[in-house]
Parts: sequence; structure tokens; C-alpha cells
Amino acid sequence: QVQLVESGGGLVKPGGSLRLSCAASGFTFSDYYMDWIRQAPGKGLEWVSYISNDGNSIYYGDSVKGRFTISRDNAKNSLYLQMNSLTAEDTAVYFCAREPRDRSLDYWGQGTLVTVSS
Amino acid sequence: DTQMTQSPSSLSASVGDRVTITCRASQSISSYLNWYQQKRGKVPNLLISAASSLQSGVPSRFSGSGSGTDFTLTINSLQPDDFATYYCQQSYNTPYTFGQGTKLEIK
Repeated sequence: QVQLVESGGGLVKPGGSLRLSCAASGFTFSDYYMDWIRQAPGKGLEWVSYISNDGNSIYYGDSVKGRFTISRDNAKNSLYLQMNSLTAEDTAVYFCAREPRDRSLDYWGQGTLVTVSS
Repeated sequence: DTQMTQSPSSLSASVGDRVTITCRASQSISSYLNWYQQKRGKVPNLLISAASSLQSGVPSRFSGSGSGTDFTLTINSLQPDDFATYYCQQSYNTPYTFGQGTKLEIK
């Protein structure tokens, strides 16, 4: 069955960096676009980024552009999110999700919490 | 960016009721509209993709319609398990955007 497992979250000081990982299993990872979505405590969902199946097409949300970098390693069935220059507004649960051809988000990981605080 | 506006933001209903949630896009998004259900403390679950395509395993009381800028999610005969927050999301253009959510509560 499809599984997505995020890791790498934690407490980081403002201005700091963090790298999130998402380990995928149960499907052919290299066939799918992958996305990151976040949810601040008590708030709604915010799309962060996506990367095409081959890594050649990448887009970011306006609030993270220039600070976050999405990448993937198809040999390791893994998705990553490098987050730099973090601020309190980046505090959220970060989810990775699979994006099939219809551009929905059909499977989500359980999420990893990132807290930016001094 | 394409703004997604859901209405209402919250809704009280009873078991057995029929409810409709509306999602409006600030520009045409064709049928690239998805609906998700999120229960408190849980991961979002895809209900409907491409405006009207019901996902496998989702009860048939859920249905979606619309194209262009106006979309609806309808739940027929509400069940206790349906009380949750619902989000629409457009994937027509980047950045993908979500509606602000509609919290469905028990009356």
C-alpha cells in the first residue's frame, strides 16, 4: 500500500535551517509528481511546492520562494525540502503528498511539525 | 495567484441533512478542482478530484460539480463521520491554492 513518511521536523531558531525528508513506498515513486503542503497550528492548508517526476519542473508558493528548495532522489524513493531563513510564520505541520496525473493530492504523509522559535 | 473562496466558513447541520459547500475561483480553473476532508488532528483525505470524480472508497453520498469558477460539494444524508473541515483546492495553475476551509459541525 502507498506510504509516505515525513521526518526531519523539530524546533529551530529564527533564521535557521532545516531539511525535511519524505520516504515513499508502495508505488513507483519515479512516476509521480510530489508536493509539500503545510498547515500552521489551528489554520488551513497552504500549498508549498511541487516537483515533477523527473525533477525538471519545480514550483513554489510565494511565501517560501527563494528560501525553500524542493528536491528528490528517485533511486532512494525520497523527497526533500530544504528550508532556510526560517521565521515564526513557517511554524506548521509539513505534509508530503503524491500528485497523480489529475493533479490532485491523493496520498498524504502523517506530517512533521516544524516549530520556529527562539 | 488564483484565490479560492469557500462558503460558508462554518455550517451546523444534523444527521440526515443534505448540505452544500461552495467554492469560487478568482479566475477560470477549468475542472482542476479537488475536495478534501480533514478531521481534527488527522491528515487530509481526498474526496473528489477533477471537480466531480469520486475517489475510490469514498461514500456515494458525496458528490461534486462545477467548472470554470464555481464549484459545489454536496453531502447527501449526513452521517456522524462526516463532521469535519472541508477544503477545496485548485490545481489549474501554480501556485496551487486552497480555500480557507468549511467547518461542518453537528447541530
